[in-house]
Amino acid sequence: QVQLQESGPGLVKPSETLSLTCTVSGGSISTYYWSWIRQSPGKGLEWIGYIYYSGSTSYNPSLKSRVTISVDTSKNQFSLKLSSVTAADTAVYYCARGVMVRGARFDYWGQGTLVTVSS
Amino acid sequence: QSVLTQPPSASGTPGQRVTISCSGSSSNIGRNAVNWYQQLPGTGPKLLIYYNNQRPSGVPDRFSDSQSGTSASLAISGLQSEDEADYYCAAWDDSLSGWVFGGGTKLSVL
Repeated sequence: QVQLQESGPGLVKPSETLSLTCTVSGGSISTYYWSWIRQSPGKGLEWIGYIYYSGSTSYNPSLKSRVTISVDTSKNQFSLKLSSVTAADTAVYYCARGVMVRGARFDYWGQGTLVTVSS
Repeated sequence: QSVLTQPPSASGTPGQRVTISCSGSSSNIGRNAVNWYQQLPGTGPKLLIYYNNQRPSGVPDRFSDSQSGTSASLAISGLQSEDEADYYCAAWDDSLSGWVFGGGTKLSVL
């Protein structure tokens, strides 16, 4: 059974960089589109971006200037960096596995990690 | 403002059939299969339905979907109390080269 686990600081200061890592277990990170998705308190889901195992990326245009997603296949991990954060970036951040065969979907999700932006 | 449009709330009584709509555009629902996610209170989203009514293992066949043009809908028959949750639609967007979500629909079982 594939499992995803987010890790990283739960508190980030305004203007600093948010950094999170997702560790994939029970399966290889090869193939699939590894995504970050966030959910602001009381709000809906927002796709942040994905990285393919080969390293190619795609980002949500609304966040593109501040987002970097990277992958470490040797550790079965992928990571998110979001720069110049503000209170509006406070959210639960999820990592998820994206599948593109027979419909693009997220079939496995992490439990999510709350990141609060505050001084 | 979400790219896909869902009603903010829906409700039904146990045993009823309820539907939740999802409206998009030609670059997302008009070209790609919609998928639906269920988010129970305090938990992460779970894939419910994808690609022409496919359900992951463990999802009951009370859940079904339909899609036409730039709209889709999720149907839940034989409503149960444990179905009370937030439901999100999502689809790949060819213009964005990424995923778009609906704003979510809070389903209440009265």
